Amino acid sequence: QVQLVESGGGVVQPGGSLRLSCAASGFTFGDFAMHWVRQAPGKGLEWLALIWYDGGIKYYADSVKGRFTISRDNSENTLYLQMNSLRAEDTAVYFCAKERRGYFAEDWGQGTLVTVSS
Amino acid sequence: IQLTQSPSFLSASVGDRVTITCRASQGITSSLAWYQQKPGKAPKLLIYAASNLQSGVPSRFSGSGYGTEFTLTISSLQPEDFATYYCQQLNNSPFTFGPGTRVDI
Repeated sequence: QVQLVESGGGVVQPGGSLRLSCAASGFTFGDFAMHWVRQAPGKGLEWLALIWYDGGIKYYADSVKGRFTISRDNSENTLYLQMNSLRAEDTAVYFCAKERRGYFAEDWGQGTLVTVSS
Repeated sequence: IQLTQSPSFLSASVGDRVTITCRASQGITSSLAWYQQKPGKAPKLLIYAASNLQSGVPSRFSGSGYGTEFTLTISSLQPEDFATYYCQQLNNSPFTFGPGTRVDI
């Protein structure tokens, strides 16, 4: 069955950087686009980024464009989110998700918590 | 593209028929998904492409709509359905979510 496991969260100071990983198994990773979505404490879902199956196309939310970079390593079945210039408002649980055709987020990881605080 | 959901909160009873509306600020054809989220858990895909039931999702859930107005209907609310529901448009980046509808007892 599909399994997505996020890691790399933690506490980071404002202005700092963090790289999240999402290890995928149970499906042919290189055949599917992947999302990053976050949820601040007590708030709704915020879509962040999507990367095509081959990494050829990437889309970003305006709130993270220029600061966050989505990437993937299909040989390692792993999705990444490089987060730079972190702000307090980036504090959230970060989820990765696998698309079904049409970009719909069909399977989700359990999330990893990022806390930006001095 | 902005999405609005109504109501933002609803109180219902087991067995009730519940309808949630999602409106898009511009046409998105049928590129809309509905998710259910329970506290501390990841979202779960219920409906994709506006009206297609995701595999394994009970048939009491249904979706309809096209263009700018969409609905999620739960035909007979069950105890496990008390959760927050989100719509998301996948027509154009950024792939925005609606603000959510909390369904409480």
